[in-house]
Amino acid sequence: AAGVIQSPRHLIKEKRETATLKCYPIPRHDTVYWYQQGPGQDPQFLISFYEKMQSDKGSIPDRFSAQQFSDYHSELNMSSLELGDSALYFCASSLGLLLAGDHNEQFFGPGTRLTVL
Amino acid sequence: AQTVTQSQPEMSVQEAETVTLSCTYDTSESNYYLFWYKQPPSRQMILVIRQEAYKQQNATENRFSVNFQKAAKSFSLKISDSQLGDTAMYFCAFMIYSGAGSYQLTFGKGTKLSVIP
Repeated sequence: AAGVIQSPRHLIKEKRETATLKCYPIPRHDTVYWYQQGPGQDPQFLISFYEKMQSDKGSIPDRFSAQQFSDYHSELNMSSLELGDSALYFCASSLGLLLAGDHNEQFFGPGTRLTVL
Repeated sequence: AQTVTQSQPEMSVQEAETVTLSCTYDTSESNYYLFWYKQPPSRQMILVIRQEAYKQQNATENRFSVNFQKAAKSFSLKISDSQLGDTAMYFCAFMIYSGAGSYQLTFGKGTKLSVIP
């Protein structure tokens, strides 16, 4: 079965640089979520999109922005990177509009490991 | 706000034995979902099992089963016949519908399980 695809898998940036992370959801999934997981931490919700519109917002810094495109893929843009932004960034997808028999669980991609030097 | 508490930071179990991971949560919501996710050393987030709050029957998935006590707000995970591949961080997670096609997922701090040969 198709899974959530994230690219790149690893990214190394310098302080104050920008980074763009991409996420391709499971086919049919119309909701995309972004999470940040620091070392030894649980994943923290950043932002979500449903049908190309922002649907919920968590602890996302103002330096970060995201969007969902017409093909449902999403991109997380991170500017003025700081050392503390080094983390594993997960994208997850789910069905937002449920039909009979559908489930709403979130399926996670493999993550993008961002290292800021 | 919802909170999820996993009181066991680390646990170990002998191969082929049974282990139970604890999870409690706090919410004023009546309609919610509970999950256990597994994060092995590869750091992929893998869905293990789900439980809808309106269902009294405990969910089972092969060697994994839950003990859902709604009144006590408890959701423990039992792993039977533990295998070396079960070694991972296990996150308990609580989910509610947050509107606009999006679901809010809150994780506990995790329990690191080691299966000993």
